[in-house]
Amino acid sequence: RKEVEQDPGPFNVPEGATVAFNCTYSNSASQSFFWYRQDCRKEPKLLMSVYSSGNEDGRFTAQLNRASQYISLLIRDSKLSDSATYLCVADRGSNSSASKIIFGSGTRLSIRP
Amino acid sequence: EAGVTQFPSHSVIEKGQTVTLRCDPISGHDNLYWYRRVMGKEIKFLLHFVKESKQDESGMPNNRFLAERTGGTYSTLKVQPAELEDSGVYFCAGRGLFYEQYFGPGTRLTVT
Repeated sequence: RKEVEQDPGPFNVPEGATVAFNCTYSNSASQSFFWYRQDCRKEPKLLMSVYSSGNEDGRFTAQLNRASQYISLLIRDSKLSDSATYLCVADRGSNSSASKIIFGSGTRLSIRP
Repeated sequence: EAGVTQFPSHSVIEKGQTVTLRCDPISGHDNLYWYRRVMGKEIKFLLHFVKESKQDESGMPNNRFLAERTGGTYSTLKVQPAELEDSGVYFCAGRGLFYEQYFGPGTRLTVT
């Protein structure tokens, strides 16, 4: 079993739709969580950090449930430019300099006009 | 602020040859990471530097891979001798204040 699991997709949704991605992690030592976005043949770019209290950035909302070891990303009013692969990332590091960062395999999203 | 840079962007070498990849992180980023993405697989952690010291190199595949970060600024990753299975995209990243990662554009390595 992978340490960070995501539905690989692809998700193919119409413009304006709401889409939700889920991610689970198996290592309870994981401390920090992130969603990254990766466009085709490009590097991953940070989309948002994920906090237990939930956080929102415009059309994007991220949630973390530590008890269930579950992370989610919600995209509202999706745009064509949201088409990309979304990577769920867990970082075992805490306040020390040591960290072990685990990437999910990514969920592909395609927004159609 | 300049971003993370990597050189070369592409490298095609023959099996048995040596290749050295370079990463220049954002100035001030003491924590530097190397990752690799093999086609069809997820991004995998290779190693982590704190300044010039290797904090964690548990992800390095084998002793054909050697990473250095002399002076705690740029880093190099050398593969010697390269094998076919080393093909992939090699990313480096620096860590920000809140543990977020800033990735370079990657080096696409093809071993033939």
